[in-house]
Amino acid sequence: QVQLVESGGGVVQPGRSLRLSCEASGFTFSYYGMHWVRQVPGKGLEWLSFISADGSEKSYAESVKGRFTISRDNSKNMVYLQMSSLRGEDTAEFYCARAGIRFPYLHYWGQGTLVTVSS
Amino acid sequence: DIQMTQSPSTLSASVGDRVSITCRASQSVSTWLAWYQQKPGKAPNLLIFKTSSLESGVPSRFSGGGSGTEFTLTISGLQPDDFATYYCQQYKISPYTFGQGTKLEIK
Repeated sequence: QVQLVESGGGVVQPGRSLRLSCEASGFTFSYYGMHWVRQVPGKGLEWLSFISADGSEKSYAESVKGRFTISRDNSKNMVYLQMSSLRGEDTAEFYCARAGIRFPYLHYWGQGTLVTVSS
Repeated sequence: DIQMTQSPSTLSASVGDRVSITCRASQSVSTWLAWYQQKPGKAPNLLIFKTSSLESGVPSRFSGGGSGTEFTLTISGLQPDDFATYYCQQYKISPYTFGQGTKLEIK
């Protein structure tokens, strides 16, 4: 069965960087695009970033463009979110999600990893 | 960017009721719209993709419709397990924006 396991969350000071990881299993990873989504506690979902199956296409929400970078390693079944210049408003639960086979709806989701930006 | 607006933000209903949630897009997304269900403390789950295609395992009491800029999620015969927050999302063009969510509460 499809499994997505995020890691790398924790407490980080404002202005610092953090890299989130998402390990995928249960499907042919290199066939699927991947997303990152975040959710401030008690608030709604915010789509952040997408990377295509081969990594050649990437897109970002305006709110994180230039600060966050998505990448993937198909040999390791991993997708990453490198976050820099973190701010208090980046405090959220971060989810990775697998896209559909041909379309970028969010088919399967991980359980999330919490990032807290605080001094 | 395409803005997605859901209404209502909160909906109170009883077990057995038929309820509908509306999602409006600021420009046409054709039928590239998905619905997700999220329960407290859990990750969201895909319910419906391409406006009306039910994800495998989702009960048939859930249905979706619409096209262009107006969409609906309907739940016919609410069950206790359905009380949750629902989000629409357009995936026609990046950024793949979500609606703000509709919380379905027990009356």
